[in-house]
Amino acid sequence: EIVLTQSPTTMAASPGEKVTLTCLASSSVNYIYWYQQKSSASPKLLIYYTSSLASGVPDRFSGSGSGTSYSLTISSMEAEDAAIYYCLQLTSTPLTFGSGTKLEIK
Amino acid sequence: EVKLVESGGGLVQPGRSLKLSCAASGFNFNDYWMGWVRQAPGKGLEWIGEINKDSSTINYTPSLKDKFTISRDNAQNTLYLQMSKLGSEDTAIYYCARDYSSWGQGVMVTVSS
Repeated sequence: EIVLTQSPTTMAASPGEKVTLTCLASSSVNYIYWYQQKSSASPKLLIYYTSSLASGVPDRFSGSGSGTSYSLTISSMEAEDAAIYYCLQLTSTPLTFGSGTKLEIK
Repeated sequence: EVKLVESGGGLVQPGRSLKLSCAASGFNFNDYWMGWVRQAPGKGLEWIGEINKDSSTINYTPSLKDKFTISRDNAQNTLYLQMSKLGSEDTAIYYCARDYSSWGQGVMVTVSS
């Protein structure tokens, strides 16, 4: 089973600040999906195939990475970006999620 | 518009079974893999399993393989999750997802006596 480790666990960013979240895989994966989850809502897809922006997602979000190291970047933090972010690997079963990064607004 | 609506959740006693449904609309259900994901209260996301377009391939997370069964009815555009031998550890919101891009709103399952 591939383990995904997200860091940091929790962080706070000021409006306008650049934010980078990391997802490290225990073995090489082909690509990563990133999700945003707010309070009790269902997860919302942000990034698929590592760097493709999902429909309707603001372009301040971007994804990059390869092999075992992936990242999600918010170019300029906004209050509405406060949420928990999860990564997902779909390279091999069982599919696995990272444990999440809680992003708060300062 | 893609729409996924889970149903069948509720309060169930330990050791009992429960079957969840996920009604799909707004896309050709036959063309997509479908999956189930759950989230225990205050916890992260856990992949349960997935089923391919014609039900010929079904994958499960190892810890749930003997308890949960995924199936689909393409004529009814519906995905199912049969859960058996439920325990308190199965208390969670259960989501269905279409190729992990579109998700339902989730359904709560509470296992308690």
